[in-house]
Amino acid sequence: QVQLQESGPGLVKPSQTLSLTCTVSGGSISSGSYYWSWIRQPAGKGLEWIGRIYTSGSTNYNPSLKSRVTISVDTSKNQFSLKLSSVTAADTAVYYCARDGYYGEAYYWGQGTLVTVSS
Amino acid sequence: SYVLTQPPSVSVAPGKTARITCGGNNIGSKSVHWYQQKPGQAPVLVIYYDSDRPSGIPERFSGSNSGNTATLTISRVEAGDEADYYCQVWDSSSDHPIFGGGTKLTVL
Repeated sequence: QVQLQESGPGLVKPSQTLSLTCTVSGGSISSGSYYWSWIRQPAGKGLEWIGRIYTSGSTNYNPSLKSRVTISVDTSKNQFSLKLSSVTAADTAVYYCARDGYYGEAYYWGQGTLVTVSS
Repeated sequence: SYVLTQPPSVSVAPGKTARITCGGNNIGSKSVHWYQQKPGQAPVLVIYYDSDRPSGIPERFSGSNSGNTATLTISRVEAGDEADYYCQVWDSSSDHPIFGGGTKLTVL
């Protein structure tokens, strides 16, 4: 059974860079035809897809966030990471990592981690 | 970009059938996925590719997709089905997935 776990600072100052890591267990991040995604959810609001990385390392991002987002993978640690630069209060949300298929169907999710942007 | 429209709320009595819709331009030509999210928990995939169920999801959950509307149907609704439900499609024009705004299912 694949499991995902997000980790990273819960508080980030405005204008700084948010950095999160997702550790995958129960399977290799580099095996199979899977995508590794980041999705976020502001309190009381809906889900917003941030971006994803394929096992080959290719990425695609939400156009609305593309200029500020970088997703990378570390196969040696079975982890993938999110960096979101120049954050504002609008980036405060629960951030989820997930494993999904070609059309974005996310079978496995992390439990989510709350990131608050505040000085 | 592509927009998915869901009703903000749906209410249903226990034992009855709940239908949650997801509207989009020619959504019938796309593959639709549905997620259930209970308070404080991560979403759970309940339907993928319009009507397939992941293992462990009860047969009471079913999906359909045609024309401009996709529908998640929950038969014999139970109190434990009370949750937010989100539809999702892949928007090929922008090359990323889109989520609907979510529907809160209340079991009366």
